[in-house]
Amino acid sequence: GQNIDQPTEMTATEGAIVQINCTYQTSGFNGLFWYQQHAGEAPTFLSYNVLDGLEEKGRFSSFLSRSKGYSYLLLKELQMKDSASYLCAVRWTDSWGKFQFGAGTQVVVTP
Amino acid sequence: DTGVSQNPRHKITKRGQNVTFRCDPISEHNRLYWYRQTLGQGPEFLTYFQNEAQLEKSRLLSDRFSAERPKGSFSTLEIQRTEQGDSAMYLCASSLREIYGYTFGSGTRLTVV
Repeated sequence: GQNIDQPTEMTATEGAIVQINCTYQTSGFNGLFWYQQHAGEAPTFLSYNVLDGLEEKGRFSSFLSRSKGYSYLLLKELQMKDSASYLCAVRWTDSWGKFQFGAGTQVVVTP
Repeated sequence: DTGVSQNPRHKITKRGQNVTFRCDPISEHNRLYWYRQTLGQGPEFLTYFQNEAQLEKSRLLSDRFSAERPKGSFSTLEIQRTEQGDSAMYLCASSLREIYGYTFGSGTRLTVV
């Protein structure tokens, strides 16, 4: 499969903003998803981007640049409960059914 | 709507034994997916059903793995002759349309000893 790269870990304080970047190879791109996963739990859907631009949903926003093969997830007004792994997942044109996930970014929110 | 249900939640088995997991998707979702996740990694695609048809299967899936969705509702994933490398969290997900993303179940954690 193609590489999907995201940082392994990020630390931020409560109330702050954190931006999690995700890069991928542009060839065959057909949509990008962000998921949140708390330790020992299933991933939960956060956002979906297929066109360039910013999608805002409450404290979370996701941005996509298809030409640059780049997305970010922005978490604002961080809360302790936001401590989790954030997974970037890409759908490729050669498969409508499956997503390829990055390894995830562990976000640690400190008081 | 009770979400995606997976059973059992945990399974410990001896190497060489066969195991079977069950997934009950959200009732109106016609698409069902199996993924495997190991510690510190993202979920890894195993297979995908649309209704009862298995449309895609990962090359990573050896012939020891088989999945079925006989009536387009629940699905089973069987692993034959388990190996220690099969130890992982097995996640099932379902969807109606990809734009809404998947809804994952809580997973079955398999430990092969």
